[in-house]
Amino acid sequence: SQQGEEDPQALSIQEGENATMNCSYKTSINNLQWYRQNSGRGLVHLILIRSNEREKHSGRLRVTLDTSKKSSSLLITASRAADTASYFCATDAAGGGNKLTFGTGTQLKVEL
Amino acid sequence: DGGITQSPKYLFRKEGQNVTLSCEQNLNHDAMYWYRQDPGQGLRLIYYSQIVNDFQKGDIAEGYSVSREKKESFPLTVTSAQKNPTAFYLCASSPSRTGVGNTEAFFGQGTRLTVV
Repeated sequence: SQQGEEDPQALSIQEGENATMNCSYKTSINNLQWYRQNSGRGLVHLILIRSNEREKHSGRLRVTLDTSKKSSSLLITASRAADTASYFCATDAAGGGNKLTFGTGTQLKVEL
Repeated sequence: DGGITQSPKYLFRKEGQNVTLSCEQNLNHDAMYWYRQDPGQGLRLIYYSQIVNDFQKGDIAEGYSVSREKKESFPLTVTSAQKNPTAFYLCASSPSRTGVGNTEAFFGQGTRLTVV
């Protein structure tokens, strides 16, 4: 079963705009992570936010976590064509035995 | 170079045959995972292992088998019992510190399996 559900499924923006993706999950978590996947490749870890954190930054990435709503958002600022990829959230469920469960992903297309 | 290596990149199988996908890591990670990804979809967990000689079923284990005889290796066998095996298979590893939250996963480049 999918723990996380991303929204929107697909997003198309112009270069320079900001992109926001949302993730909702079902159970209590130890942490939530965001990954990026270029077409036909493996996933690359972007950022991890722990359950006791509310916001985290890494370069042009900003992640928020609201455990009361069981939701997270990923903001990519000043997007570039090279940001075109699929983005997935993954949760490490509390008591889940260190098992990472991935969402369905958001396909981001950044156009010149 | 430290990393996680999957082989082969492309694999073709005839119906009724078993095939084994290789996954090797030199990151000294305790935990290893196998995921399946179908076109336009997310990752679904097949099997995972926290430690050598131990592994657990994920959400879609039927038709698959694994072994973990060495820390660095976690091969996946797709058996003839798997009715729809054509998919992209991803292997990952992570440090295993349950509860500490240090579970960033490192992925291989995937194996694309096609049944012909």
